Amino acid sequence: DAGVIQSPRHEVTEMGQEVTLRCKPISGHDYLFWYRQTMMRGLELLIYFNNNVPIDDSGMPEDRFSAKMPNASFSTLKIQPSEPRDSAVYFCASSSPHRRETQYFGPGTRLLVL
Amino acid sequence: AQSVTQLGSHVSVSEGALVLLRCNYSSSVPPYLFWYVQYPNQGLQLLLKYTSAATLVKGINGFEAEFKKSETSFHLTKPSAHMSDAAEYFCAVSDPGGFKTIFGAGTRLFVKA
Repeated sequence: DAGVIQSPRHEVTEMGQEVTLRCKPISGHDYLFWYRQTMMRGLELLIYFNNNVPIDDSGMPEDRFSAKMPNASFSTLKIQPSEPRDSAVYFCASSSPHRRETQYFGPGTRLLVL
Repeated sequence: AQSVTQLGSHVSVSEGALVLLRCNYSSSVPPYLFWYVQYPNQGLQLLLKYTSAATLVKGINGFEAEFKKSETSFHLTKPSAHMSDAAEYFCAVSDPGGFKTIFGAGTRLFVKA
């Protein structure tokens, strides 16, 4: 299996622009998680889905952030408009119905908002 | 509410020496506990997990951790450090449902030759 796939790996954009991060979970996994990692705040859970349905989005920082999962093999995290304080590494992770507690992480997207 | 505290943001050991990374947790329900490792520019990789079975848990790369309920601790150890162990290590806790995992701030391990 290829593992969790994230794209792009690096993104540099200007303040005010829309940013879309993409994630393909491991096939057969029914949970998908989005995390943000910064030096100041560490690793934070933003939102997670079960069977494509958002279950808990209490970690989403504000309305500029939105996440979707249109099907079992694809999810997006969108920031519109982006701000410099959104600069971080964004990770996607997935877990299977048989080992729900074990999350498999993608390589992350490093976002820099200028 | 659950929380995790990792003692020491940086730990430095010599190659061949014992590795000890400390983690204390707080949970109102029997927790699941995890140690993850993150190498530079990579995602987190599970080292080991405790899910209420044996209190001494063995993981990959020679690491192990012991769940001590009386001390609310889950310290990570390895008898002999290798240069390739240099990375950042995260302790994490979740409820038995495993839906929401809370991560510690991380401990960066340096291994000196």
